[in-house]
Parts: sequence; structure tokens; C-alpha cells
Amino acid sequence: GAGVSQSPRYKVAKRGQDVALRCDPISGHVSLFWYQQALGQGPEFLTYFQNEAQLDKSGLPSDRFFAERPEGSVSTLKIQRTQQEDSAVYLCATRTGGSRNEQFFGPGTRLTVL
Amino acid sequence: GIQVEQSPPDLILQEGANSTLRCNFSDSVNNLQWFHQNPWGQLINLFYIPSGTKQNGRLSATTVATERYSLLYISSSQTTDSGVYFCAVGLYKLSFGAGTTVTVRA
Repeated sequence: GAGVSQSPRYKVAKRGQDVALRCDPISGHVSLFWYQQALGQGPEFLTYFQNEAQLDKSGLPSDRFFAERPEGSVSTLKIQRTQQEDSAVYLCATRTGGSRNEQFFGPGTRLTVL
Repeated sequence: GIQVEQSPPDLILQEGANSTLRCNFSDSVNNLQWFHQNPWGQLINLFYIPSGTKQNGRLSATTVATERYSLLYISSSQTTDSGVYFCAVGLYKLSFGAGTTVTVRA
């Protein structure tokens, strides 16, 4: 597709469940980022991939959060044993990897943990 | 990390008015982007502007990298300009400001 796509768009989980959020990048985009946006705030960085290599995971809030991009294209953000404080919108962004650093965002996945 | 401050936090405009949004940041960066977040949460790219001045229709932006600030100008505002405007800066990962919520009244 022409843009970054994410699925599901909405996810409701019971506390303690595991969830998996998917990001399909723009074709050919080397770099992929995950951000978390709490209600009423700006997005915050979670993790960064260049191709299949996870180069920065400093923003992941706990070891319950895990991200992968095994073939350097589609990425999955997994949250184990979800907690209420994990409720947020999870945004994926990609960029070409060349000298132009512009990032393009997907529509996000809204996660609600009950 | 890089600190990003946006002002004002809220802006109420009458349709047709002009406005200026400001973004200050704490460190040297090679990426600065302005986004408009629509009511459905989608971040729409407005400008990629690590330095200089750009214009796109009724919107324009200026970044003075040496003084670590950027300005977004909205001219002849329309109700469709309502929403949250974010400034984001960084070297690879982006640090976002808290946003400016713009409300344009008919």
C-alpha cells in the first residue's frame, strides 16, 4: 500500500492477557519506529529497527514489552500480561533510511486494557 | 533526551484569522517535523523542516536551527484546521512536544 498500515485498529484486552500489534511499513522503508501515545499527550519513543536489527529499545517501559522485525519488513509489538497502564495508542512510523530523516506514521492501534 | 516545548498550549481562533505556533528544543537535531493530528488520531505530515523556510498553501514554517526554535504559521484559518499540532525533533528517534490544540470557530 501507499502508506503505513497497522492492525488491529482497536484492541480490548483483559488485564493479564497478551496482545500482538502489527505494523506494515511503506515498501522499501528501511527504518521502523514504535511510539506510545497516552491520552492528551504527545507520542513517546519505544523502539527502533533498521532492517531486521533492533538498534534502540531504550523506550520500552518494561520487560513485558517486546518488538520484532524478523525479515526487515513487517514488525510486531507484543505486550505480555497487559496492565491498565498499558492502555494507549501505539503508533508505528517508517522512513526511507537515506539522508532524508522524515518519518511517516500509521493510523495507530488503540489498546484498552480492562 | 531532547526537551521540546510548544506554545501556546491552546489557541482559539475566529475563522479567517492568522496565528503562529512555536516550538523550542534543547539540543542540535537533524530532523524537525510538524504534524497535524486529526480527530481520528492520524498524524498528518505538514512539514519536514530541519532548517530554513517552507510554504504549503495557507501553512508555512520556519526553523532557525542555530537558535533551536521553529515556527508554524497558519493564515486565513478554516474550521478544518482545528486539531492538535505537534512539533517533533531528533537525530533518528523523534521527541515530541505536548502539542498545541487549535480550535477554529466559524
